[in-house]
Amino acid sequence: EIVLTQSPATLSLSPGERATLSCRASQSISSYLAWYQQKPGQPPRLLFYDASNRATGTPARFSGSGSGTDFTLTISSLEPEDVAVYYCQQRSSWPPLTFGGGTKVEIK
Amino acid sequence: QVQLVESGGGLVKPGGSLRLSCAASGFTFSDSYLSWIRQAPGKGLEWVSYISDSGSTIYYADSVKGRFTISRDNAKNSLYLQINSLRAEDTAVYFCATGWPGFYGTFHYWGQGTPVTVSS
Repeated sequence: EIVLTQSPATLSLSPGERATLSCRASQSISSYLAWYQQKPGQPPRLLFYDASNRATGTPARFSGSGSGTDFTLTISSLEPEDVAVYYCQQRSSWPPLTFGGGTKVEIK
Repeated sequence: QVQLVESGGGLVKPGGSLRLSCAASGFTFSDSYLSWIRQAPGKGLEWVSYISDSGSTIYYADSVKGRFTISRDNAKNSLYLQINSLRAEDTAVYFCATGWPGFYGTFHYWGQGTPVTVSS
């Protein structure tokens, strides 16, 4: 089973700051990684698929990068509406499909 | 637009059973793979089960194998999850999700979820 480790667990930043979220896989997953955003009381929403492909409606301030075992989700300038938990998920080797533990982004 | 609407959740005693449903619209259901994914209160996401477009390929997480059964009815545009022998650790919101054909295992669309609570 591929384990995804997300860091940090919580990120507290001021509006306008740059947010960098990390997802590390226990073995190479090529580019088969997705990022999801989940706000309280809502289902997850796909932000990026296959590491860097922007999903419909993902704002331009978000970017996804990486391949192999190390992946990054970057928010170039944090907005109040970006407060959420962000999850990575791999589809390289499954079953099982696996998710990271999540990074909670807060506004300072 | 794509819509996934789950139903069937509720309060059930340990050892009990439930059948969850997911009604789909806005896309070609018979061409689409589907999964159930759950989220325990205050916890992260856990993939539960997958079914291919025809229903010929099915996978389960080890934590539910032998107790949960996924199925679909392409004529009714519906996905199901029969959950038996429920345990306290099955308490969660259960989401159905699907994605673009060819992107197996990526979830472009999610339902709002249906809550399942296992308690005596």
